[in-house]
Amino acid sequence: QVQLVQSGAEVKKPGSSLKVSCKASGDSFSTYAISWVRQAPGQGLEWMGGIIPMFNAANYPQKFRGRVTITRDKSTSTVYLELRSLTSEDTAVYYCARVNTPGILDIWGQGTLVSVSS
Amino acid sequence: EIVLTQSPGTLSLSPGERATLSCRASQSVNSTDLAWYQQKPGQAPRLLISGSSSRATGIPDRFSGSGSGTDFTLTISRLEPEDFAVYYCQHYGSSPIFTFGPGTKVDFK
Repeated sequence: QVQLVQSGAEVKKPGSSLKVSCKASGDSFSTYAISWVRQAPGQGLEWMGGIIPMFNAANYPQKFRGRVTITRDKSTSTVYLELRSLTSEDTAVYYCARVNTPGILDIWGQGTLVSVSS
Repeated sequence: EIVLTQSPGTLSLSPGERATLSCRASQSVNSTDLAWYQQKPGQAPRLLISGSSSRATGIPDRFSGSGSGTDFTLTISRLEPEDFAVYYCQHYGSSPIFTFGPGTKVDFK
């Protein structure tokens, strides 16, 4: 059974950048797309983008284009989320999740809490 | 862009009661592209239902999904104490690829 293990909590300054990792184990890394979803305190879920590791092809919603980059390292079965120009509104728990058919997020990482504060 | 609306915002019920949660899409969607998730405090979301009505692996049969077009429903036939949580519907589309509803909180009456 595949597991997604994320990097630990971070505290960032406004204007800085963030890079969160998501390491897959137990299954074929390249076969499935990985998405990133974030959740601000007390709020709902927001899709930030995703990547198909096999093709290294990423897709982002309009809101995050230019500020988010999702990459993968096949050698370590790890996907990364980079978010730039952080503000307090980026304070959230960031989740990675496996995309399966039909368009579902069936396995989730444990979440990474990111706090942005001066 | 598809917008999902969920109602009610909060549903206050007792264990053993039936819960009916609604998810409405801003335009007609393919029922195969609609899913439901459960999220408990401090935990990642968990997939409950895919394709509007197919339970995910390990999900008890008290959970059921239905609907088509713009109106979808998640029903919990008899609430167990562990079912008190927030429930999100999700649509899989083209741009953005994943859209979530704002959630319905099921809490103790």
